[in-house]
Amino acid sequence: GAGVSQTPSNKVTEKGKYVELRCDPISGHTALYWYRQSLGQGPEFLIYFQGTGAADDSGLPNDRFFAVRPEGSVSTLKIQRTERGDSAVYLCASSSGLIANTGELFFGEGSRLTVL
Amino acid sequence: QQPVQSPQAVILREGEDAVINCSSSKALYSVHWYRQKHGEAPVFLMILLKGGEQKGHEKISASFNEKKQQSSLYLTASQLSYSGTYFCGTERAGSYQLTFGKGTKLSVIP
Repeated sequence: GAGVSQTPSNKVTEKGKYVELRCDPISGHTALYWYRQSLGQGPEFLIYFQGTGAADDSGLPNDRFFAVRPEGSVSTLKIQRTERGDSAVYLCASSSGLIANTGELFFGEGSRLTVL
Repeated sequence: QQPVQSPQAVILREGEDAVINCSSSKALYSVHWYRQKHGEAPVFLMILLKGGEQKGHEKISASFNEKKQQSSLYLTASQLSYSGTYFCGTERAGSYQLTFGKGTKLSVIP
């Protein structure tokens, strides 16, 4: 497809379990972002990749969260020992370059994570 | 560091105008505006760079006052399709990522 693809669209897990969320950005987009959105809130920045490297991971809440982008395309957000407070919609976005230059982040539909 | 948006919510009748404000306590490099409809991904509206240039997008325009670190989104002659939650995203120099406000929910009714 032409847009940002995220899988799964919905994930229900139990407290303490491990989850992986996948993002397939628009082909050729070098920048990839992960955001988290709770109900009634704006997207909250988690991590930003430029190519394969994490250029800014200052938004990751703690060391249970980790993200990779090994080949500079697909990215996986990994959450260990999930907690109920991790429940949210995890949004992935990509852009063709620096956001101040290109302007636009293309968001995926998100992965809704529910931790019971 | 999260920008503050006002109002939190607004209800308009078709054809009415609205202004949504976004302010930051930090020096900004750019301000971005997005609209998100319920259950959908945020969609880009426009970007305003440091320099105060006003941008336009159909009947939606915006301004950026860099001295006050404030941006305003202007919606004129609103249409039903304008309904959704509007987010401003602010970028500080060298950060390369956006910090979003809590959003302004706009409802346009017939």
